[in-house]
Amino acid sequence: GQNIDQPTEMTATEGAIVQINCTYQTSGFNGLFWYQQHAGEAPTFLSYNVLDGLEEKGRFSSFLSRSKGYSYLLLKELQMKDSASYLCAVNDGDYKLSFGAGTTVTVRA
Amino acid sequence: IAGITQAPTSQILAAGRRMTLRCTQDMRHNAMYWYRQDLGLGLRLIHYSNTAGTTGKGEVPDGYSVSRANTDDFPLTLASAVPSQTSVYFCASSDGSTNSNEQFFGPGTRLTVL
Repeated sequence: GQNIDQPTEMTATEGAIVQINCTYQTSGFNGLFWYQQHAGEAPTFLSYNVLDGLEEKGRFSSFLSRSKGYSYLLLKELQMKDSASYLCAVNDGDYKLSFGAGTTVTVRA
Repeated sequence: IAGITQAPTSQILAAGRRMTLRCTQDMRHNAMYWYRQDLGLGLRLIHYSNTAGTTGKGEVPDGYSVSRANTDDFPLTLASAVPSQTSVYFCASSDGSTNSNEQFFGPGTRLTVL
């Protein structure tokens, strides 16, 4: 089976930086996704990494190390609207994604 | 229609009843998926379809069935609902022809089985 681990909860202050880690053990690997999900809403795509290294997209960056089975999502200059769950998901080489349980980030003023 | 739609938005259902959750996409995506999301467990794949006419089982398929008669529609049926099927159900689709296979999600259906 697939095993994807991420912390359950994180809390940070507005304007700060938060790093959400994700480790995975999967039968195959064809890329890693990060999704954002606000309470009561659908997940929305944030980033995709298939090669090692850092992908930057505005205030959000995502890093991948395939040899270590590790990724992180970095959220900079936190805003109140960034309070949400962040889902790590691995494409195991088929059409399907395997999701972690999600990390709930709370941004405090 | 823009993207993926799901119906109903929410439903309260008596145990033992049959229920079909509807999902329609207008992006001409090849692949479609059904997930359930439960607190602390994340998104779990129920069934999927790589292309019209084919379906496959995901991680938690028992008690559910799907069909894919055409590209746009992917209904999920609970033949005889049980309380453990109380959950939020998300439909998703992806192009399926690119390496990234980004999935786009519908707004979800909140189902309560009593």
